[in-house]
Amino acid sequence: AQTVTQSQPEMSVQEAETVTLSCTYDTSESNYYLFWYKQPPSRQMILVIRQEAYKQQNATENRFSVNFQKAAKSFSLKISDSQLGDTAMYFCAFMNTNAGKSTFGDGTTLTVKP
Amino acid sequence: DTAVSQTPKYLVTQMGNDKSIKCEQNLGHDTMYWYKQDSKKFLKIMFSYNNKELIINETVPNRFSPKSPDKAHLNLHINSLELGDSAVYFCASSQSPYGYTFGSGTRLTVV
Repeated sequence: AQTVTQSQPEMSVQEAETVTLSCTYDTSESNYYLFWYKQPPSRQMILVIRQEAYKQQNATENRFSVNFQKAAKSFSLKISDSQLGDTAMYFCAFMNTNAGKSTFGDGTTLTVKP
Repeated sequence: DTAVSQTPKYLVTQMGNDKSIKCEQNLGHDTMYWYKQDSKKFLKIMFSYNNKELIINETVPNRFSPKSPDKAHLNLHINSLELGDSAVYFCASSQSPYGYTFGSGTRLTVV
C-alpha cells in the first residue's frame, strides 16, 4: 500500500516571499502520478499541479513548481511570490496508474501573512 | 456550469436517520469517487466507480451504500446515521491519470 507523508502540519510565509512544502511517499510501483491540491477556507478542493513519475522534468504552473526526486521519493511544492489567496491547506497525493485511486497526505496548513 | 455538483452542501440530521447525498459530473469522466474528510481534515477514500461499476470499496460500514445509475452520477446513501459519521463528504471525478475534479463537499452533522 502507498503512503504519503507531509511532515509540516503548519507553515507561514510573508506575502511576496517563497515557501516550500514537503511531501514524501512510499511505493513499490515504478509508474505513478503525484499531485498537489489546495483547500482554501471555502472548503473547495482544487488541483494545483500534477507530475508524472516517468518524466524527469519538474512540473510548473505559474507561481507553483515542484521538486520531484524519484529516487528519494520526494515531491515538494514551491510557491513563489506568495499571495494572500494562497492561504489554504495543501494536500500531496499519490495516484496509482491502474486503479486511479489517490492516497492523500495529512495536509499542510499554509498561512500567508501581509 | 458546475463541473462536479454535490447536493446538499449542508446536512444536519438526528442519529438513526437515513440520508442521501447526490453527485453529478458534466465532464464526461469515466471514474467517480466518494471521499470522507474528518474533523482533522484527513481525506480517506470510501468508494470508486468506473463507468457505473464499483471498483473500490474501502473498509466502510455497510450502512453506507453508493449507487451509480449512470457514469455521470454517483449517490451516497447512509442508513442509521451515527455521531461518528459527522464529516465532510466529497464527491470527485477523474479521467485517469489527470487528477481529480472535486465537488464542493457536503458537511454532514449528526446530532
